[in-house]
Formats: sequence, structure tokens, C-alpha cells
Amino acid sequence: SAVISQKPSRDICQRGTSLTIQCQVDSQVTMMFWYRQQPGQSLTLIATANQGSEATYESGFVIDKFPISRPNLTFSTLTVSNMSPEDSSIYLCSVSTGSVEKLFFGSGTQLSVL
Amino acid sequence: GENVEQHPSTLSVQEGDSAVIKCTYSDSASNYFPWYKQELGKGPQLIIDIRSNVGEKKDQRIAVTLNKTAKHFSLHITETQPEDSAVYFCAANYNAGNMLTFGGGTRLMVKP
Repeated sequence: SAVISQKPSRDICQRGTSLTIQCQVDSQVTMMFWYRQQPGQSLTLIATANQGSEATYESGFVIDKFPISRPNLTFSTLTVSNMSPEDSSIYLCSVSTGSVEKLFFGSGTQLSVL
Repeated sequence: GENVEQHPSTLSVQEGDSAVIKCTYSDSASNYFPWYKQELGKGPQLIIDIRSNVGEKKDQRIAVTLNKTAKHFSLHITETQPEDSAVYFCAANYNAGNMLTFGGGTRLMVKP
């Protein structure tokens, strides 16, 4: 299994500011994903982070609001821009070695926006 | 796209009893059905999965059954223990690919 380090684990932010979340994996992985988990809700895929190219966003999510970087096969960042209280959620990094059967999650970033 | 419905949303059982969580899916092309357990403050962790060419899979106290015709699958936990208390998510891949759609989650509470 892959060991995923996600930072920060939690943060409290002011409305209108931005937060960048980092995801570091202990081995090279084929695919990296970012999920959002709103309070008491299920996991919703935000985007697939593509190495060396622009991320692929799911319906309802846009690059201006959630810019993503993936400079190499072990690291990715998700930025939540111009935050509002509605952005308060857990954000999860997930990685796969290429097979849907090998999908692992980080411990998440608990974001609260005041 | 895929739609995964999960029931119940909360489940409370007495320690030692069995717990059953059910999911239905819409995409007939789905062929992989994992179950994840999420403890408080942690990310989801895969606990068991099943492929569509198998009807049942068991791993110690947990088992998953799949009815491909009816497009539903279930998680069974026997002899529940307090440490089984967590949120459980079912999922299905859509279009037989590498992307998962998750159910709404079930909060399982095991009372000692």
C-alpha cells in the first residue's frame, strides 16, 4: 500500500483567503485524485491531478476555484481559492497505482471557513 | 454516469450482533465494488471488495455479497465489536473504468 502524507491536517481560515493543501506519497503513483467530503456527506471527486498537464475537473468544479498542481509522480497540491463558509469540508487526497483496486486515501484536511 | 444509493444512513447494533449495509448501483457496466471504512479524523480505508464475476467474498468477520442482476451489493459484519463503529462507504466503478462513485455512507454504532 502507499503511504500518503497530507498537510495541513486542519485549518481555520477567513473568508476571501486561499489555502493550499499538499499531498506527498512515499512512492511513484500513476493517478492522484482530490475529493471533497462535506459535513456528514459522501465523497465527491473534485479532479484528477495529471502529471505534467492540467488537471481534469469533474462537473461542478472549476480550475479558478480549485487550482491543482502535480509537478511529479509523488506530489500534488490543491488550492481552495477565495474561500467562503460553504467551502468548509474535509479535502482528501487519493492515489492509485493504476488499478481501481489499489486506491488509497490520505487522512484528509479539515477546513473551516469563518 | 453512475448513481450509488446506500442504506441505512445510520445503524445501531448491540455488540455481538450482525450488521448489514446495502447498496444499489445504476451502471450495468460496473464491475468492481469496494467497501471503505472511515474512522473519525481519518481517511477512508479499503476493507473488502468484490468483482462482478464473484457472488460472495468473505474475510473473517466481514463479507460482501453481489447480485449483479438486481444491481445491488451488501456488506455483512458478524459478531460486531465496538471498534467496528465508524462510517462505511460503498462504491462502484463506472463504465468498468478506474473511477469510483461512492454511496452516501452509513454511520455504524456498536453499543457495548
